[in-house]
Amino acid sequence: KNEVEQSPQNLTAQEGEFITINCSYSVGISALHWLQQHPGGGIVSLFMLSSGKKKHGRLIATINIQEKHSSLHITASHPRDSAVYICAVSVGADGLTFGKGTHLIIQP
Amino acid sequence: GAVVSQHPSWVICKSGTSVKIECRSLDFQATTMFWYRQFPKQSLMLMATSNEGSKATYEQGVEKDKFLINHASLTLSTLTVTSAHPEDSSFYICSVPTGTHFFNGYTFGSGTRLTVV
Repeated sequence: KNEVEQSPQNLTAQEGEFITINCSYSVGISALHWLQQHPGGGIVSLFMLSSGKKKHGRLIATINIQEKHSSLHITASHPRDSAVYICAVSVGADGLTFGKGTHLIIQP
Repeated sequence: GAVVSQHPSWVICKSGTSVKIECRSLDFQATTMFWYRQFPKQSLMLMATSNEGSKATYEQGVEKDKFLINHASLTLSTLTVTSAHPEDSSFYICSVPTGTHFFNGYTFGSGTRLTVV
């Protein structure tokens, strides 16, 4: 069973700061997913990665398959980025195994 | 993009009653749907994999007779919590693998917050 560890668990930063959230996993995977969960519980898929790097707007996700490690970066952070960011892994199209999430608060 | 509709968003029920949660893929067919559960301050956990036209596959520790899953069509899966108890109070959310010609990640329903009193 894959163990997914995220750090930090909580992060408070000022608007404009560069944010990094880290994720590591224990067993080989097909893909790693970064998700965003809002206070009401709804979940949005941000990235699915199997190698390299992806960028969408101010969000950047990287993965190192050999190191079993991924990072999610947010540039020029904004209060609307405040949410829980969750790392999850999958094998094929099986169900996801999730990390505990990182509670991010961006203060104005 | 793919849309997954989940109802109800929240439900309060009395202990001993049953609650049905629906998960619908609105604009695509889904032979597989996943059901997850999230207790307060904990991570999401896979409960079961719902397969259209066949029995669901349950994760270890999830009682199949308590959490009934029906996937009778390519667009609808239902999760029924039978004889609900306060310890079943949780956030339940479904997700569907998406992608037209190849797997392209997952789309999530909006979730159901169940409170059993």
